[in-house]
Amino acid sequence: GDSVTQMEGPVTLSEEAFLTINCTYTATGYPSLFWYVQYPGEGLQLLLKATKADDKGSNKGFEATYRKETTSFHLEKGSVQVSDSAVYFCALSVRVSSGGSNYKLTFGKGTLLTVNP
Amino acid sequence: NAGVTQTPKFRVLKTGQSMTLLCAQDMNHEYMYWYRQDPGMGLRLIHYSVGEGTTAKGEVPDGYNVSRLKKQNFLLGLESAAPSQTSVYFCASRTAEQYFGPGTRLTVT
Repeated sequence: GDSVTQMEGPVTLSEEAFLTINCTYTATGYPSLFWYVQYPGEGLQLLLKATKADDKGSNKGFEATYRKETTSFHLEKGSVQVSDSAVYFCALSVRVSSGGSNYKLTFGKGTLLTVNP
Repeated sequence: NAGVTQTPKFRVLKTGQSMTLLCAQDMNHEYMYWYRQDPGMGLRLIHYSVGEGTTAKGEVPDGYNVSRLKKQNFLLGLESAAPSQTSVYFCASRTAEQYFGPGTRLTVT
């Protein structure tokens, strides 16, 4: 079945360090790929997405490129801030009913990022 | 525009008790979802709905029931709570992307 594997955490970095969180997936067909962020005590927010191979999603300094050949969607940021401390989830969307337009999200287990001043 | 709201925010139940979690959205979305989040497990889909009056099972539906009597509301019920249902529950609704509520932290003792 469809699945998402992301690097185990926690990840602890100093402010202004470079961030990479690895994400690989298995899926039938051509899924869309997402990164969600969850700040402490809050729900998930969409950070960025890519809907087809070689697309690059970007937002708030974060980037991820949809690599079909390596089935990967790694999250990167060149210089992290303390405010980036959160849990990051990689996810893919697959159709749940044939012929319909409804999609469900399959999530990775999440990676806790802590950025120290 | 409040987005997706959930009530209650916290709840403690004893084993065997029942309760209903309410999710409401004011974005006129057709699709709504209930997930549970457990440490080291990510989010897992419990039930979902593609429109008013419809519901369907997700990955982990056992022990839960849902209803979508009105388009804006999606209710998640626990008829007889068990300690294994201790979790954080998130509701979401979508058009092109999913919007999540703030979550309900449920503890079953």
